[in-house]
Amino acid sequence: NAGVMQNPRHLVRRRGQEARLRCSPMKGHSHVYWYRQLPEEGLKFMVYLQKENIIDESGMPKERFSAEFPKEGPSILRIQQVVRGDSAAYFCASRDSSTDTQYFGPGTRLTVL
Amino acid sequence: KNQVEQSPQSLIILEGKNCTLQCNYTVSPFSNLRWYKQDTGRGPVSLTIMTFSENTKSNGRYTATLDADTKQSSLHITASQLSDSASYICVVSTKTGANNLFFGTGTRLTVIP
Repeated sequence: NAGVMQNPRHLVRRRGQEARLRCSPMKGHSHVYWYRQLPEEGLKFMVYLQKENIIDESGMPKERFSAEFPKEGPSILRIQQVVRGDSAAYFCASRDSSTDTQYFGPGTRLTVL
Repeated sequence: KNQVEQSPQSLIILEGKNCTLQCNYTVSPFSNLRWYKQDTGRGPVSLTIMTFSENTKSNGRYTATLDADTKQSSLHITASQLSDSASYICVVSTKTGANNLFFGTGTRLTVIP
């Protein structure tokens, strides 16, 4: 069973471009979480999704950010018109419902020039 | 307000020495507490999980303690190794809410030869 996979691992964008981050949860997991980590700071919750549903998006900025977890395929975190302040590591985690444990992916490091 | 505070913020120890990291929380209602290890450039990996009734849990050279009355936890690392250099994150779960994890900002441990 492969772990949580994220791609790309590193992403460089210029201001105003779009960033699209992908997360494939562990096999059998239907709960996905996205977190943002700024340098030297802790993980901050952004959004929690189940298949085809957004359960909690209270940590995600209302503008420019969106997330989805379609029935087929990976979860996508999309950032439109990126700004320098969006530069961070974005981690995805999937949850094992039986143990309530979140397993984290390796993260995507977004750099906005 | 649900919060998780960790101390110290950073720590440098000699290889082979022991150390203890602290976590205080105000999260309520409490469900469980986990310690995660996050290597530089990687996602967090769960080390231990403790519920309300558990006082101590070991995982190799890592031993976590929990005092649910004072809402404190510690992570003790014995006979430290260079590979222990990482950030250690305390994460507390509540019983309620779709997104029920609260993250500390971590302790950055550096083990030097």
